[in-house]
Amino acid sequence: RKEVEQDPGPFNVPEGATVAFNCTYSNSASQSFFWYRQDCRKEPKLLMSVYSSGNEDGRFTAQLNRASQYISLLIRDSKLSDSATYLCVVNSVTGGSYIPTFGRGTSLIVHP
Amino acid sequence: DVKVTQSSRYLVKRTGEKVFLECVQDMDHENMFWYRQDPGLGLRLIYFSYDVKMKEKGDIPEGYSVSREKKERFSLILESASTNQTSMYLCASSPGYNEQFFGPGTRLTVL
Repeated sequence: RKEVEQDPGPFNVPEGATVAFNCTYSNSASQSFFWYRQDCRKEPKLLMSVYSSGNEDGRFTAQLNRASQYISLLIRDSKLSDSATYLCVVNSVTGGSYIPTFGRGTSLIVHP
Repeated sequence: DVKVTQSSRYLVKRTGEKVFLECVQDMDHENMFWYRQDPGLGLRLIYFSYDVKMKEKGDIPEGYSVSREKKERFSLILESASTNQTSMYLCASSPGYNEQFFGPGTRLTVL
């Protein structure tokens, strides 16, 4: 099955910094896209969905570029509490089945 | 709030044992998934189900089977546990092609 690629990091940034993650996917039939956040020893939780028009939720902005097959996540004014692993998820319909594929995650460490 | 529960947080089994991991969701979601998560490999899909008594293989089904007799419950079965099945197992449910809600995970150790 086709892949979803992320830079594993870690991205080590000071508080207040702006940081961006990219995620590339290889299946051009992919239909929906998400960013999840996973804290250490916890389950993944949805951070935001990603739409073609882009979407923003407070300090977080997600973008989708279908032509280049990547999605991005921008975090502005980083907080210590943003330290986590960020997973991108791409949903594709293959053979009539809807199949989610997770990237391996990008680790973010925000330091004082 | 959607709640996905898994039968155990930690489980230790011996090689060759049959292992059952249970997952229950309370939001009437059609779709349920089993993943394993290993360091450096991320989440890998083992099996998924879109309806009662229905199952589909994911990326790594070998050594596993599943059962979905009721909509709210999706069980993962290790027929004969092996040490390479030591991992974190995560169950998730979702309504259609949308957000997945995860359970807290079961950390399985096979000795």
